[in-house]
Amino acid sequence: DTGVSQNPRHKITKRGQNVTFRCDPISEHNRLYWYRQTLGQGPEFLTYFQNEAQLEKSRLLSDRFSAERPKGSFSTLEIQRTEQGDSAMYLCASSPFGRGTSGGTDTQYFGPGTRLTVL
Amino acid sequence: AQTVTQSQPEMSVQEAETVTLSCTYDTSESNYYLFWYKQPPSRQMILVIRQEAYKQQNATENRFSVNFQKAAKSFSLKISDSQLGDTAMYFCAFMKPYSGGGADGLTFGKGTHLIIQP
Repeated sequence: DTGVSQNPRHKITKRGQNVTFRCDPISEHNRLYWYRQTLGQGPEFLTYFQNEAQLEKSRLLSDRFSAERPKGSFSTLEIQRTEQGDSAMYLCASSPFGRGTSGGTDTQYFGPGTRLTVL
Repeated sequence: AQTVTQSQPEMSVQEAETVTLSCTYDTSESNYYLFWYKQPPSRQMILVIRQEAYKQQNATENRFSVNFQKAAKSFSLKISDSQLGDTAMYFCAFMKPYSGGGADGLTFGKGTHLIIQP
């Protein structure tokens, strides 16, 4: 197992276009999180899944954003009608919720991120 | 809502020195988890150390240790015998335990850019 992977690593698009990012979590990790990180800031939580169920969405996740995790494996994050303000690093993390020694919450392991530039 | 504050935007120390990064947080929760993550330049976020709020003993991981002061809501990271490879952004993060009512993921501070000079 090589960790959380994300594709593409970089995406440049024009304003108004749709983009989709993919995240492959660590095998057997049942929780998957999406974060957005802008320059000079810490990551901000967007949404998370437990298996295939999307359990929480941040107010940051406007209706132009949609995330899926079919079959509880990989996840996709789609941004429709991109805006220049969407330019950021999009990070994915996974955790073995409930399967670690802590029981209540588990450490999140991050992928390398997808850097989105909207022109 | 929780907030995490890192008051040192940048720090620079000489190799082999000890450095302490500060973090304070605000929450009304009594049980929670605190983390320090490291983000090297152009590389992915790596967990450095983790602390459960119900544990009084400070967590340690090799050269990394924390000073967790629950009453003061302070969670500082100490790096001993600093190495060039420790140069990175360091983020302090807070997380509520899952309570069945959903969780908001990690709440991060703005980070401290640590530079280890040779």
